[in-house]
Amino acid sequence: AQSVTQLGSHVSVSEGALVLLRCNYSSSVPPYLFWYVQYPNQGLQLLLKYTTGATLVKGINGFEAEFKKSETSFHLTKPSAHMSDAAEYFCAVSGPFNAGGTSYGKLTFGQGTILTVHP
Amino acid sequence: KAGVTQTPRYLIKTRGQQVTLSCSPISGHRSVSWYQQTPGQGLQFLFEYFSETQRNKGNFPGRFSGRQFSNSRSEMNVSTLELGDSALYLCASRVSGDSYNEQFFGPGTRLTVL
Repeated sequence: AQSVTQLGSHVSVSEGALVLLRCNYSSSVPPYLFWYVQYPNQGLQLLLKYTTGATLVKGINGFEAEFKKSETSFHLTKPSAHMSDAAEYFCAVSGPFNAGGTSYGKLTFGQGTILTVHP
Repeated sequence: KAGVTQTPRYLIKTRGQQVTLSCSPISGHRSVSWYQQTPGQGLQFLFEYFSETQRNKGNFPGRFSGRQFSNSRSEMNVSTLELGDSALYLCASRVSGDSYNEQFFGPGTRLTVL
């Protein structure tokens, strides 16, 4: 079974500071990994994804994440926070293979991290 | 290209009633997944449909059901509503059934059960 742990349900940074949101996963096979952002009263928007290849993935709005297999981590970073980055962020994992049908369409999400950006 | 649309956006029902939520995927997308989002349980997978077939189902009671039509539009139904069914229900579509394809989410339907 796959699982995702996001360390820190709330993270607060100052505008212009580094943003670091932590995500660790558990999977018996190399997973596909995703970061989504959710603004109030909206659905989820994809920030970036890792499937195969380069382990440093760049996404939208200046975010990037690095897949570290040895640490089973996929932390999200942004060099300089902006007020508009305030939102809830979700790390998610899906299986690479639909073995037994257990991975079809299923994203397993972490509990989310609420990012607050102070002026 | 239009995004995923969900109707209605807000819904208020009473215990014991049933409800049907609708999802229209992005044009050309054949896979539709449904998720329930609550403050206590977070985002939980309900089921996924691909080419009108349910391929996967999460750990929810049989009161939760769904279907997909030939145009890929999907509906989910919840019968005998309980207070705990109050949640944001999110629909997501993707172009194919492969797990490496990202899912695109709609704005959700906010269901309140009184």
